[in-house]
Amino acid sequence: EVQVVESGGGLVQPGGSLRLSCAASGFTFSNHWMSWVRQAPGKGLEWVAIIKKDGSEKNYVDSVKGRFTISRDNTKNSLYLEMNSLRAEDTAVYFCARVGTTTGWGEDVWGKGTTVTVSS
Amino acid sequence: DIVMTQSPDSLAVSLGERATINCKSSQSVLNSSNNKNYLGWFQQRPGQPPKLLIYWSSTRESGVPDRFSGSGSGTDFTLTISSLQAEDVAVYYCQQFYSTPHTFGQGTKLEIK
Repeated sequence: EVQVVESGGGLVQPGGSLRLSCAASGFTFSNHWMSWVRQAPGKGLEWVAIIKKDGSEKNYVDSVKGRFTISRDNTKNSLYLEMNSLRAEDTAVYFCARVGTTTGWGEDVWGKGTTVTVSS
Repeated sequence: DIVMTQSPDSLAVSLGERATINCKSSQSVLNSSNNKNYLGWFQQRPGQPPKLLIYWSSTRESGVPDRFSGSGSGTDFTLTISSLQAEDVAVYYCQQFYSTPHTFGQGTKLEIK
């Protein structure tokens, strides 16, 4: 079964750090760009970051630049999001998503998400 | 950044009737080199992750019922559900893939009238 499963969320104080992981299975991970998308409580979707198949290219939304780092380990079929200097407004469900190879950059496989809460 | 604006914010439609959701981008998402619009539509049911419905503005993802259709080009796009079913209650989002950040619209909540 093709799937991605996020982990690593939790409660963290403002200014703290957290590392999210996403384990991929059922497909050739190294053939796909991968994204992180987040959703604050009761709000819409916000695209956060994307990483190229080999990890050589990364892009971020402005609000996380310099604080978040997306990375991947193709030998472990895993995607990561290192989050530093966390703020209350980073509180959200974080989704890992596979970018399809034939879907015009559309994310065609999504995890259930992991919840990050930034609060003192 | 490209700003995506959906209308309406919410919509109530009777079962079996047509539902139409609009999405407008602040700049064209049409790639003239391949004549493709880098625009997708997602469905998010309560408590679920998003699901890709449409890409290239009008191509249905595998397994998506044919009552869902997408249209439009350049800056103006539409998602149409031809005959609303109970399971279509969800929030629908458009997303552009033309340039990073791959911005989403604010979402349209679709309910049964």
